[in-house]
Amino acid sequence: AQSVTQPDIHITVSEGASLELRCNYSYGATPYLFWYVQSPGQGLQLLLKYFSGDTLVQGIKGFEAEFKRSQSSFNLRKPSVHWSDAAEYFCAVAATAGKSTFGDGTTLTVKP
Amino acid sequence: GAGVSQSPRYKVAKRGQDVALRCDPISGHVSLFWYQQALGQGPEFLTYFQNEAQLDKSGLPSDRFFAERPEGSVSTLKIQRTQQEDSAVYLCASSQDRGRNRELFFGEGSRLTVL
Repeated sequence: AQSVTQPDIHITVSEGASLELRCNYSYGATPYLFWYVQSPGQGLQLLLKYFSGDTLVQGIKGFEAEFKRSQSSFNLRKPSVHWSDAAEYFCAVAATAGKSTFGDGTTLTVKP
Repeated sequence: GAGVSQSPRYKVAKRGQDVALRCDPISGHVSLFWYQQALGQGPEFLTYFQNEAQLDKSGLPSDRFFAERPEGSVSTLKIQRTQQEDSAVYLCASSQDRGRNRELFFGEGSRLTVL
């Protein structure tokens, strides 16, 4: 069975500071991994995805994530956070086809 | 259409009423998914269609929940005899779901409140 753990429920960073959101997954084979962002009252939007190849993937809005098989992790990073990045962030893992399983999310607050 | 469209956006039902939630996926997307999102939680899988075939309904919480996609496009999630614990946001997503294109495209959700 596939599962995702996001250890941090809530993170607060200052605008301009760097960000790292943690994600650990459990899946028996090479996973498909995703990060999504959700603003209040909105659906989820894809930030980036990993399937294979280069373990450092770039996404939209200046985000990147690194796949580390040895640690079963797929942490999301951004060098300099903007106030508009305040939202909820979800990590997800998918089998080769079919459903994605989501973590419980990390809420990001950005201080001015 | 340009994106996934869900209706109604908000639904208030009295306990025991039946509700129907509609999802119009992105044109050409083979796969369609329904998720339930409770307050402060991540989306929980309900069911999955590939074209008109319902391939996985393991997440449906009870036999009061029923989903269909008769022509392989629009889908309806029906909840019979609603209970307060059914209150949640119901998210629909579609996907090409093949090759490298397995990411989900979500609608804005239907928020159900059961009184």
